[in-house]
Order: sequence, then structure tokens, then C-alpha cells
Amino acid sequence: QKEVEQNSGPLSVPEGAIASLNCTYSDRGSQSFFWYRQYSGKSPELIMSIYSNGDKEDGRFTAQLNKASQYVSLLIRDSQPSDSATYLCAVNSGYSTLTFGKGTMLLVSP
Amino acid sequence: NAGVTQTPKFRILKIGQSMTLQCAQDMNHNYMYWYRQDPGMGLKLIYYSVGAGITDKGEVPNGYNVSRSTTEDFPLRLELAAPSQTSVYFCASSYSQTGSRQPQHFGDGTRLSIL
Repeated sequence: QKEVEQNSGPLSVPEGAIASLNCTYSDRGSQSFFWYRQYSGKSPELIMSIYSNGDKEDGRFTAQLNKASQYVSLLIRDSQPSDSATYLCAVNSGYSTLTFGKGTMLLVSP
Repeated sequence: NAGVTQTPKFRILKIGQSMTLQCAQDMNHNYMYWYRQDPGMGLKLIYYSVGAGITDKGEVPNGYNVSRSTTEDFPLRLELAAPSQTSVYFCASSYSQTGSRQPQHFGDGTRLSIL
């Protein structure tokens, strides 16, 4: 059974700091990796995708992938209170479906 | 372009009642999905469809049924509602998973309570 593991948190960081969110996955054949942000009471919103080993940057967000270690992370630079949300890691192992982690709650304090 | 539209947004059912949760997408996506999300438990896949007339079970299909007669619509039916089905239900869609690089786009969800 494919598994995606995330620390449930909450991860608390002060405004302006770097938030680091981590995710591990069990299926070594996984090909695509996504980060979704979910505000309380709202639906998941795609913020990053990554497919190759290394870093991918988009504004304040950087996704990092290490397939050998089966590890994917999301860095949020200059964290803002508006970044406070639950971040879901999702993994596609080449089939029709995604496997989601339970999410990490991020709290950014002013 | 409305994306993925779910109706209703909220619903309260009595035990044993039935209902259909509606989902429609206008992005011409061929893949559609139904998830439920319980507090602290992440998203669990109920059913999915890779095209009109084709559906398959996900992780937690018991107590639910689906059909896909058109590309746009993917309704989820609850038969004999039980308190364990109290949850938030999300519908999602994506393009063909060729190369598995297509992300899923979510609707706003339906909050369902069974009393």
C-alpha cells in the first residue's frame, strides 16, 4: 500500500522566517509530486509540482525532491501570517490517482 | 470558466436517508475523483473515473455509488446514510494522467452531517 507521511504539526514560525515542510513516500516508483495548501474550511489549492530531483522555485516557494531518499519538501521563504494553513503532500505513482499525506499545519505568528 | 462546481455546499441528513452529491467541471477534464476528508485524517479516495462510462473504486467505496454518463458530470450517491458518513466531500478533476504530471483541481466541497 502506497503511503505518504507528513508531520501533523503544528509547525510554528515567526513572520519573515523560513518554513520547512517535509514529506516521505513509500513507493519508489513514484513519478510526480504536488504540494497543496488548504485553508481552514476551504478546499485544497495546488501551489507547487515537481517531477525531477533537485529544487524548483516559484516566488517564495521552493520544492525539493530527492528520489533516492524518497523525500520531498516545501520551503516557504519570508513566511507571512497569510501562509498559515495546512499543507498537503500528494504523490502520483504513475497510475490514475494521487496518494495524499494527512497534512502539516503551519502557523505563522506576526 | 467555473472550474469544478459542487452542490449542495451543506446538507443535513437523517440516518437511512439517501442523497446525491453533484459535481460538474467545465475544463474538459477526462479524469474525475471523489474524496472525503475527516478532521486530521487527510483525503481519502472514494471513487474515480477516467472517462464517461468508466468508474473504479478507491480506498473507501462502501456505502457510496457513482456514475459517469458525461465528461462534465460525476455525481456521488449515498444510499442509507449512516453517521460514519458525516464528513466533508470534495470532487476533483484533472486531464489525462499521461506521464502522471497532471495535478488535480478541487471543488469547494460539500459539508454533510448525518444525524
